[in-house]
Amino acid sequence: DSGVTQTPKHLITATGQRVTLRCSPRSGDLSVYWYQQSLDQGLQFLIHYYNGEERAKGNILERFSAQQFPDLHSELNLSSLELGDSALYFCASSVGGGIQPQHFGDGTRLSIL
Amino acid sequence: GIQVEQSPPDLILQEGANSTLRCNFSDSVNNLQWFHQNPWGQLINLFYIPSGTKQNGRLSATTVATERYSLLYISSSQTTDSGVYFCAVGPIQGAQKLVFGQGTRLTINP
Repeated sequence: DSGVTQTPKHLITATGQRVTLRCSPRSGDLSVYWYQQSLDQGLQFLIHYYNGEERAKGNILERFSAQQFPDLHSELNLSSLELGDSALYFCASSVGGGIQPQHFGDGTRLSIL
Repeated sequence: GIQVEQSPPDLILQEGANSTLRCNFSDSVNNLQWFHQNPWGQLINLFYIPSGTKQNGRLSATTVATERYSLLYISSSQTTDSGVYFCAVGPIQGAQKLVFGQGTRLTINP
C-alpha cells in the first residue's frame, strides 16, 4: 500500500460527459502529480501541484483541469469526454516539490462508451 | 525532451530463471525509479535509484548516471513477477516530473 488513495477505482461514462477523479496524497506529502496511461501513448505526465499551487503542466488537454485543495487532496476534472480519453489515470505524491521519489496510487480506470 | 528506451520489450522465462532489464536515457537525470505494473494495473514502486546500486530480496538495480543507463536484475523468477516493468526518469532540466519508458513485459511460466 503506497498510502496514496484514488477514487473511484472504475468509472464508466458516455462521450460528452464530465467526470471528477479524486486523489488523497500520503500523509505529509505536499506534491501531487497526475499521469495518464493509454494504450497508444503509454504513461504520460499531466500536471504537478505543490502545496496548492500549480508547478508544471505536461500533455494535458484544455478539456482537462486540476486543482489541489488546502487539505492537499487533488481533483482532476475531465470534460467533454471523447472515446480517446479512455485510460488509466494515476495520481502520485511526494514529500516536497523537488527531487524525491514519487509514490503512486492504484489508479482510476476510465471507460468512455 | 528526454527519451527513455527499455529493452527488451518482451521477455518470456521459466520459473527460477534470472533476468536483466535495461533502461537507457538520453540526458542527465536527477531521479530514476523502477516500477512493476501487475496484472491489476497497480504500479508498484521497486526502487528509487538515481545512482548507485540497491538490493531488495531477489531484486536489485544499478544506475550508472554518467553513462545514462540503469539495470534491473530479477533472480530466481516466480510467476508473481509477471507483469510490465517500467523505468521512469526525472530530467534535470525543466519540470519535476517522471518520463516513462515503454516498459518490458515479463512473463514467467511455471
